[in-house]
Amino acid sequence: DAKTTQPTSMDCAEGRAANLPCNHSTISGNEYVYWYRQIHSQGPQYIIHGLKNNETNEMASLIITEDRKSSTLILPHATLRDTAVYYCIARAISSGSARQLTFGSGTQLTVLP
Amino acid sequence: ETGVTQSPTHLIKTRGQQVTLRCSSQSGHNTVSWYQQALGQGPQFIFQYYREEENGRGNFPPRFSGLQFPNYSSELNVNALELDDSALYLCASSHVAQGYNEQFFGPGTRLTVL
Repeated sequence: DAKTTQPTSMDCAEGRAANLPCNHSTISGNEYVYWYRQIHSQGPQYIIHGLKNNETNEMASLIITEDRKSSTLILPHATLRDTAVYYCIARAISSGSARQLTFGSGTQLTVLP
Repeated sequence: ETGVTQSPTHLIKTRGQQVTLRCSSQSGHNTVSWYQQALGQGPQFIFQYYREEENGRGNFPPRFSGLQFPNYSSELNVNALELDDSALYLCASSHVAQGYNEQFFGPGTRLTVL
């Protein structure tokens, strides 16, 4: 899995958009970008994933640059409950066999009231 | 649909003892992975089970072992506990499907080794 680089921490005002960057300059063509988050004392929670097109679901939007070397997770209207560590993971999907997730240190997002 | 559950929530052991942690997969999932998360770090992959067989292993010694049962529940066993084994142990289940396998995590078991 390609190495990902994220800022250690970020703050965001409640109600504003939170934009979390991730660098994955060595990503290969068959590797997806996954985002998970971990709220304190809970297990990680899947947020979204994408290959090269921008993706949106009920939780967030994922913007992937055209060269796929970086991406941004966008929480459109951050709430206090979005305070968590956010992990960006580059990972190939293998058919017939699930593969492990390789977590880095992630970004601690703190949503401020 | 029930989510991933783990037991116990917390436990305390002493160095040299053995411990068994349990995980019930989300309904319909046939793959389970175990992760160790030390304080302040991201989860580290221990191993994965698919169809009751180990299907990949991280950089953990043989004293970490596991089982997956026909109902897809799973156990993580750790022998000869060391102080550094103190961590949050996470179980994640998924369903192997063509081209997509999101993992669903349980709340974890907090193990303290004294």
